[in-house]
Amino acid sequence: RKEVEQDPGPFNVPEGATVAFNCTYSNSASQSFFWYRQDCRKEPKLLMSVYSSGNEDGRFTAQLNRASQYISLLIRDSKLSDSATYLCVVNTVTGGGNKLTFGTGTQLKVEL
Amino acid sequence: EAQVTQNPRYLITVTGKKLTVTCSQNMNHEYMSWYRQDPGLGLRQIYYSMNVEVTDKGDVPEGYKVSRKEKRNFPLILESPSPNQTSLYFCASSTRQSADEQYFGPGTRLTVT
Repeated sequence: RKEVEQDPGPFNVPEGATVAFNCTYSNSASQSFFWYRQDCRKEPKLLMSVYSSGNEDGRFTAQLNRASQYISLLIRDSKLSDSATYLCVVNTVTGGGNKLTFGTGTQLKVEL
Repeated sequence: EAQVTQNPRYLITVTGKKLTVTCSQNMNHEYMSWYRQDPGLGLRQIYYSMNVEVTDKGDVPEGYKVSRKEKRNFPLILESPSPNQTSLYFCASSTRQSADEQYFGPGTRLTVT
């Protein structure tokens, strides 16, 4: 089983739609979680951290379910500019320090 | 402007010809790392460095070397490149080993024939 798993998509949605992505992780000791955005052939950039209580940043909402070991990202009123690949990132503390594990990403295409 | 730079951005080379990809950051970050990104496999860490003269292996270190003689620079060295090292490479830096502060360079697309 992969340490971090995401549905690769692509998710093709019309502009204005609400879309949700899930990500599951296998290590119950993982401590912190993030969503990164990556545009085609560009570098990943932090979108938002994911907190146990859930957090919102404008049209984006991230949630964590530790019991089921998954995190989610909800995008409301999607825009053409939201088209990108969304990477789930899990941070686990190991003997050698923090270990970051990236999911393979979920591709979103927002269409007119 | 705070940034991570990589050079070259694109490189086509032949098997066995040593090459170096440079990485430099101007944010005074202690932590730097190298990743490769391949279709279906996501970003995988090659090497990381927690400070000057401190480096350690990531998940896929075979065939790569790094050095950290100065805080701002973290070059990636391929002593004898092979076709399976054809990939998109990213350098990243942060103030600590935490994803919420990871700053990535623009990437280096390497093709080994």
